[in-house]
Amino acid sequence: RKEVEQDPGPFNVPEGATVAFNCTYSNSASQSFFWYRQDCRKEPKLLMSVYSSGNEDGRFTAQLNRASQYISLLIRDSKLSDSATYLCVVMNRDDKIIFGKGTRLHILP
Amino acid sequence: EAGVTQFPSHSVIEKGQTVTLRCDPISGHDNLYWYRRVMGKEIKFLLHFVKESKQDESGMPNNRFLAERTGGTYSTLKVQPAELEDSGVYFCASSQVWAPNTIYFGEGSWLTVV
Repeated sequence: RKEVEQDPGPFNVPEGATVAFNCTYSNSASQSFFWYRQDCRKEPKLLMSVYSSGNEDGRFTAQLNRASQYISLLIRDSKLSDSATYLCVVMNRDDKIIFGKGTRLHILP
Repeated sequence: EAGVTQFPSHSVIEKGQTVTLRCDPISGHDNLYWYRRVMGKEIKFLLHFVKESKQDESGMPNNRFLAERTGGTYSTLKVQPAELEDSGVYFCASSQVWAPNTIYFGEGSWLTVV
Protein backbone atom coordinates (compact mmCIF):
# COMPACT_ATOMS: atom_id res chain seq x y z
CA ARG A 1 0.00 0.00 0.00
CA LYS A 2 1.33 3.43 -0.94
CA GLU A 3 1.99 5.85 1.89
CA VAL A 4 -0.18 8.55 0.33
CA GLU A 5 -2.94 7.68 -2.10
CA GLN A 6 -4.95 9.95 -4.35
CA ASP A 7 -7.34 9.49 -7.23
CA PRO A 8 -5.21 10.55 -10.23
CA GLY A 9 -8.21 11.88 -12.15
CA PRO A 10 -8.43 13.74 -14.40
CA PHE A 11 -11.37 15.62 -13.00
CA ASN A 12 -13.04 17.61 -15.79
CA VAL A 13 -15.21 20.20 -14.14
CA PRO A 14 -17.15 23.13 -15.62
CA GLU A 15 -16.15 26.60 -14.53
CA GLY A 16 -18.05 27.68 -11.45
CA ALA A 17 -18.63 24.20 -10.15
CA THR A 18 -17.46 22.79 -6.83
CA VAL A 19 -14.92 19.99 -6.84
CA ALA A 20 -13.57 17.85 -4.02
CA PHE A 21 -10.39 15.79 -3.82
CA ASN A 22 -9.61 13.12 -1.29
CA CYS A 23 -6.41 11.60 -0.07
CA THR A 24 -5.58 8.81 2.37
CA TYR A 25 -2.31 8.18 4.18
CA SER A 26 -1.04 5.02 5.77
CA ASN A 27 1.30 6.21 8.52
CA SER A 28 -0.75 6.99 11.60
CA ALA A 29 2.26 8.78 13.10
CA SER A 30 2.29 11.41 10.35
CA GLN A 31 2.19 14.83 11.86
CA SER A 32 1.70 17.49 9.20
CA PHE A 33 -0.44 17.60 6.11
CA PHE A 34 -0.56 19.85 3.10
CA TRP A 35 -2.06 20.39 -0.28
CA TYR A 36 0.36 21.52 -2.97
CA ARG A 37 -0.48 22.71 -6.43
CA GLN A 38 1.72 21.88 -9.40
CA ASP A 39 1.31 23.44 -12.81
CA CYS A 40 2.61 21.70 -15.89
CA ARG A 41 6.42 21.54 -15.83
CA LYS A 42 6.62 23.72 -12.76
CA GLU A 43 7.63 23.09 -9.18
CA PRO A 44 5.12 22.19 -6.45
CA LYS A 45 3.81 25.20 -4.60
CA LEU A 46 2.14 25.15 -1.23
CA LEU A 47 -1.58 25.72 -1.50
CA MET A 48 -2.48 25.27 2.14
CA SER A 49 -1.72 23.35 5.28
CA VAL A 50 -4.39 21.03 6.62
CA TYR A 51 -5.57 20.94 10.21
CA SER A 52 -7.98 18.73 12.11
CA SER A 53 -10.20 21.69 12.81
CA GLY A 54 -10.46 22.35 9.09
CA ASN A 55 -9.20 25.48 7.44
CA GLU A 56 -10.43 27.74 4.72
CA ASP A 57 -8.62 30.11 2.39
CA GLY A 58 -10.99 31.89 0.07
CA ARG A 59 -12.56 29.34 -2.23
CA PHE A 60 -10.43 26.52 -0.82
CA THR A 61 -11.31 24.41 2.21
CA ALA A 62 -9.12 21.65 3.59
CA GLN A 63 -10.02 19.06 6.17
CA LEU A 64 -8.11 16.37 8.05
CA ASN A 65 -9.63 13.32 9.66
CA ARG A 66 -6.93 11.67 11.74
CA ALA A 67 -9.09 8.75 12.81
CA SER A 68 -9.74 7.78 9.20
CA GLN A 69 -6.33 9.01 7.99
CA TYR A 70 -8.08 11.02 5.35
CA ILE A 71 -7.48 14.49 3.92
CA SER A 72 -9.77 16.47 1.68
CA LEU A 73 -9.67 19.61 -0.42
CA LEU A 74 -12.76 21.42 -1.61
CA ILE A 75 -12.66 24.09 -4.30
CA ARG A 76 -15.75 26.23 -4.68
CA ASP A 77 -16.67 28.41 -7.65
CA SER A 78 -13.84 26.90 -9.68
CA LYS A 79 -11.90 29.13 -12.08
CA LEU A 80 -10.07 28.28 -15.27
CA SER A 81 -6.85 29.15 -13.43
CA ASP A 82 -7.49 26.35 -10.95
CA SER A 83 -6.53 23.82 -13.62
CA ALA A 84 -3.45 22.06 -12.26
CA THR A 85 -2.34 18.93 -10.47
CA TYR A 86 -3.10 18.91 -6.77
CA LEU A 87 -0.66 17.01 -4.60
CA CYS A 88 -1.54 15.60 -1.21
CA VAL A 89 1.56 15.81 0.97
CA VAL A 90 2.27 14.27 4.36
CA MET A 91 5.19 15.06 6.65
CA ASN A 92 6.38 12.42 9.06
CA ARG A 93 8.03 12.92 12.43
CA ASP A 94 11.49 12.96 10.87
CA ASP A 95 10.49 15.88 8.62
CA LYS A 96 10.42 13.60 5.60
CA ILE A 97 7.79 14.63 3.09
CA ILE A 98 5.79 12.02 1.24
CA PHE A 99 3.92 13.05 -1.89
CA GLY A 100 0.82 11.55 -3.35
CA LYS A 101 0.83 11.01 -7.08
CA GLY A 102 -1.43 13.99 -7.58
CA THR A 103 -4.92 14.59 -8.89
CA ARG A 104 -5.25 16.35 -12.22
CA LEU A 105 -7.96 18.96 -12.47
CA HIS A 106 -9.18 20.50 -15.71
CA ILE A 107 -11.64 23.37 -15.43
CA LEU A 108 -13.73 23.60 -18.57
CA PRO A 109 -14.97 26.95 -19.92
CA GLU B 1 14.76 37.44 -1.55
CA ALA B 2 16.01 34.80 -3.97
CA GLY B 3 14.20 31.49 -3.89
CA VAL B 4 15.63 28.02 -4.26
CA THR B 5 17.59 27.94 -7.48
CA GLN B 6 18.58 24.89 -9.45
CA PHE B 7 21.00 24.41 -12.30
CA PRO B 8 20.81 23.27 -15.00
CA SER B 9 17.13 23.66 -15.70
CA HIS B 10 17.32 21.10 -18.49
CA SER B 11 19.93 18.55 -19.39
CA VAL B 12 20.10 15.89 -22.09
CA ILE B 13 22.90 13.37 -21.73
CA GLU B 14 23.75 9.97 -23.13
CA LYS B 15 23.51 6.79 -21.14
CA GLY B 16 26.76 6.25 -19.28
CA GLN B 17 27.63 9.91 -18.99
CA THR B 18 27.80 11.90 -15.79
CA VAL B 19 25.56 14.77 -14.79
CA THR B 20 25.85 17.04 -11.79
CA LEU B 21 22.83 18.97 -10.62
CA ARG B 22 23.23 21.94 -8.34
CA CYS B 23 20.87 23.44 -5.81
CA ASP B 24 21.23 26.75 -4.02
CA PRO B 25 18.79 26.88 -1.13
CA ILE B 26 17.34 30.02 0.30
CA SER B 27 19.95 31.77 2.39
CA GLY B 28 19.77 30.67 6.01
CA HIS B 29 17.87 27.46 5.30
CA ASP B 30 19.71 24.61 6.96
CA ASN B 31 17.28 21.95 5.72
CA LEU B 32 17.86 20.92 2.13
CA TYR B 33 15.99 18.15 0.36
CA TRP B 34 16.32 16.42 -2.96
CA TYR B 35 13.29 14.85 -4.61
CA ARG B 36 12.71 13.41 -8.04
CA ARG B 37 9.78 12.55 -10.24
CA VAL B 38 10.23 10.02 -12.97
CA MET B 39 7.67 9.56 -15.72
CA GLY B 40 4.28 8.48 -14.46
CA LYS B 41 5.34 8.26 -10.84
CA GLU B 42 4.87 10.39 -7.78
CA ILE B 43 7.48 12.78 -6.49
CA LYS B 44 9.81 10.74 -4.30
CA PHE B 45 12.17 11.71 -1.54
CA LEU B 46 15.86 11.16 -2.19
CA LEU B 47 17.64 12.68 0.77
CA HIS B 48 17.70 15.35 3.41
CA PHE B 49 20.61 17.47 4.58
CA VAL B 50 20.74 19.46 7.76
CA LYS B 51 23.55 21.89 7.09
CA GLU B 52 26.33 19.72 5.67
CA SER B 53 25.18 16.49 7.31
CA LYS B 54 23.06 13.85 5.63
CA GLN B 55 20.10 13.47 7.94
CA ASP B 56 18.37 10.84 5.85
CA GLU B 57 19.45 9.35 2.56
CA SER B 58 17.07 6.43 2.54
CA GLY B 59 15.55 7.49 -0.77
CA MET B 60 18.72 7.41 -2.82
CA PRO B 61 18.03 4.73 -5.45
CA ASN B 62 21.51 3.26 -5.77
CA ASN B 63 25.21 4.04 -5.55
CA ARG B 64 25.20 5.82 -8.89
CA PHE B 65 23.77 8.80 -7.05
CA LEU B 66 25.99 10.95 -4.86
CA ALA B 67 24.84 14.05 -3.02
CA GLU B 68 27.06 16.52 -1.28
CA ARG B 69 26.62 19.73 0.62
CA THR B 70 30.08 20.86 1.54
CA GLY B 71 30.03 23.87 3.82
CA GLY B 72 26.33 23.56 4.37
CA THR B 73 25.37 25.97 1.60
CA TYR B 74 24.68 24.73 -1.90
CA SER B 75 24.27 21.06 -2.71
CA THR B 76 25.14 18.93 -5.69
CA LEU B 77 23.60 15.70 -6.87
CA LYS B 78 25.77 13.68 -9.19
CA VAL B 79 24.53 10.79 -11.27
CA GLN B 80 27.35 8.60 -12.56
CA PRO B 81 26.92 6.72 -14.83
CA ALA B 82 23.47 7.85 -15.89
CA GLU B 83 20.92 5.26 -16.97
CA LEU B 84 17.76 5.69 -19.03
CA GLU B 85 15.54 5.24 -15.96
CA ASP B 86 17.17 8.25 -14.31
CA SER B 87 15.26 10.54 -16.66
CA GLY B 88 12.86 12.78 -14.83
CA VAL B 89 12.72 16.01 -12.91
CA TYR B 90 14.86 16.53 -9.85
CA PHE B 91 13.52 19.01 -7.32
CA CYS B 92 15.44 20.64 -4.56
CA ALA B 93 13.69 22.16 -1.57
CA SER B 94 14.78 24.02 1.53
CA SER B 95 13.40 25.12 4.84
CA GLN B 96 14.51 26.53 8.13
CA VAL B 97 15.16 23.98 10.85
CA TRP B 98 12.79 25.78 13.22
CA ALA B 99 10.03 25.94 10.58
CA PRO B 100 10.25 22.61 8.74
CA ASN B 101 6.66 22.86 7.54
CA THR B 102 7.42 25.87 5.36
CA ILE B 103 9.23 24.31 2.48
CA TYR B 104 10.22 26.08 -0.69
CA PHE B 105 10.85 24.19 -3.89
CA GLY B 106 13.14 25.04 -6.74
CA GLU B 107 11.85 24.91 -10.28
CA GLY B 108 13.49 21.58 -10.87
CA SER B 109 16.22 20.20 -13.08
CA TRP B 110 14.77 18.24 -15.99
CA LEU B 111 17.06 15.37 -16.92
CA THR B 112 16.73 13.30 -20.06
CA VAL B 113 19.03 10.33 -20.54
CA VAL B 114 19.11 9.01 -24.10
